[in-house]
Amino acid sequence: QKEVEQDPGPLSVPEGAIVSLNCTYSNSAFQYFMWYRQYSRKGPELLMYTYSSGNKEDGRFTAQVDKSSKYISLFIRDSQPSDSATYLCAMSVTDSWGKLQFGAGTQVVVTP
Amino acid sequence: GAVVSQHPSWVICKSGTSVKIECRSLDFQATTMFWYRQFPKQSLMLMATSNEGSKATYEQGVEKDKFLINHASLTLSTLTVTSAHPEDSSFYICSAPLGTGNTEAFFGQGTRLTVV
Repeated sequence: QKEVEQDPGPLSVPEGAIVSLNCTYSNSAFQYFMWYRQYSRKGPELLMYTYSSGNKEDGRFTAQVDKSSKYISLFIRDSQPSDSATYLCAMSVTDSWGKLQFGAGTQVVVTP
Repeated sequence: GAVVSQHPSWVICKSGTSVKIECRSLDFQATTMFWYRQFPKQSLMLMATSNEGSKATYEQGVEKDKFLINHASLTLSTLTVTSAHPEDSSFYICSAPLGTGNTEAFFGQGTRLTVV
């Protein structure tokens, strides 16, 4: 069993819709949760970071962490074609941001 | 944010040859850098932790003699894939944390290696 599970998609949504992404994990020791966006043939860039359980909002992006269910989510409101990318969840036991466990990534396509 | 530069962006090499990939932190010093590998449709997998001035720490299952890591300065780590084979074809990405403790790690743009 993988430590972090993420549906690879692709997930296709019309422009303006809400994109809903999620990951599940098995290691209850994870405390730091991140969402990255990765464009084709590029390195990941950090979108959201959450410590422990709770919600965090940043513009059109909302991240949620439910440690009791070992489930994290990312919501993108008012999606734009420029949001088309692969979204990766990542987690860490410690505050060492280098040693991250990644999900496989979900490919998102926002159609005009 | 901080910039991590990786070179080359893509490389094609013949089976049996060696390939060196560079990872540079352009505007900050990084005593530690991390090397990941990403196969198509799969997650990034940590290969090794590169430590400035000391030996790299490899994850389980990663051959240290095949993937040579050198972190000779505070801004440069190199990954050399020795005697490359087609199964080594992958996307290699490095990351460098901005500091110690709870600080973001920035990723390079990645290197697409194709071994023919």
